[in-house]
Amino acid sequence: KQEVTQIPAALSVPEGENLVLNCSFTDSAIYNLQWFRQDPGKGLTSLLLIQSSQREQTSGRLNASLDKSSGRSTLYIAASQPGDSATYLCAVLYYGNNRLAFGKGNQVVVIP
Amino acid sequence: SAVISQKPSRDICQRGTSLTIQCQVDSQVTMMFWYRQQPGQSLTLIATANQGSEATYESGFVIDKFPISRPNLTFSTLTVSNMSPEDSSIYLCSAVPIERGAGGYTFGSGTRLTVV
Repeated sequence: KQEVTQIPAALSVPEGENLVLNCSFTDSAIYNLQWFRQDPGKGLTSLLLIQSSQREQTSGRLNASLDKSSGRSTLYIAASQPGDSATYLCAVLYYGNNRLAFGKGNQVVVIP
Repeated sequence: SAVISQKPSRDICQRGTSLTIQCQVDSQVTMMFWYRQQPGQSLTLIATANQGSEATYESGFVIDKFPISRPNLTFSTLTVSNMSPEDSSIYLCSAVPIERGAGGYTFGSGTRLTVV
C-alpha cells in the first residue's frame, strides 16, 4: 500500500524560528512530490513541486528536499511568521497512478 | 500551472436538497478529481472525472449520491444529492495538466458545505 505519513501532526513555534516538516512515503517509485498549504476552510495552494529526478526545490523562505532512497521529504520554512500558520500537506504522485496520495498534514501555529 | 475557479465558496443547505458545485479551469486539463474533506480530516477522493466518459468512483461513493459531469476539457460539476448533515464537509476539485506532472496538480478554493 502506498502510504504517506507526516510528522509531527501539529506543532507550535515562536515567530522567527525555522520550521521543519517531515513527510515519509512507503514506495520509492514516485513520479513527483508536492507540498501544499491549506488555510482553515479553504482549498489547497501548491507551494513546491519536486520531480523524482530532483533533490530539492526552493521558493523564497521555503525549501523542500527529496530523498527517494529513504522515502522522505522535508519542508523547511525559514524565519517563520504568524502568516505561516496553516496546515501543510504532502502529496505523492506514484508511477502508474493518476491520483495523489496525501499525508494527513502538519498543523502549524506560529506564535507572535 | 492551471488556475481553477470553484463556486460556490460556501453554502448552507436544507436536509434533503441538492447542491451543484462547479469548477472552471483556465486551460485544458486531462483528468479532474473531486475530493471531500470532513472536519479535521485529510482529503478523501470521491471520483475522477474524465471528459467524454463516465466518472470513476472510489469505494464508498456512488453516482446516485454524487453525480458528476465533465462536458469539456475545462469544466466539471459535482452534485451532492439528497443531503444529510453527514455531508457537511469541504468539497474540492483538482486538475492535472495535459503534460502529466508538469506544474503539479492544482486545486480549487473549496466549497464549504453545511447541511442543516
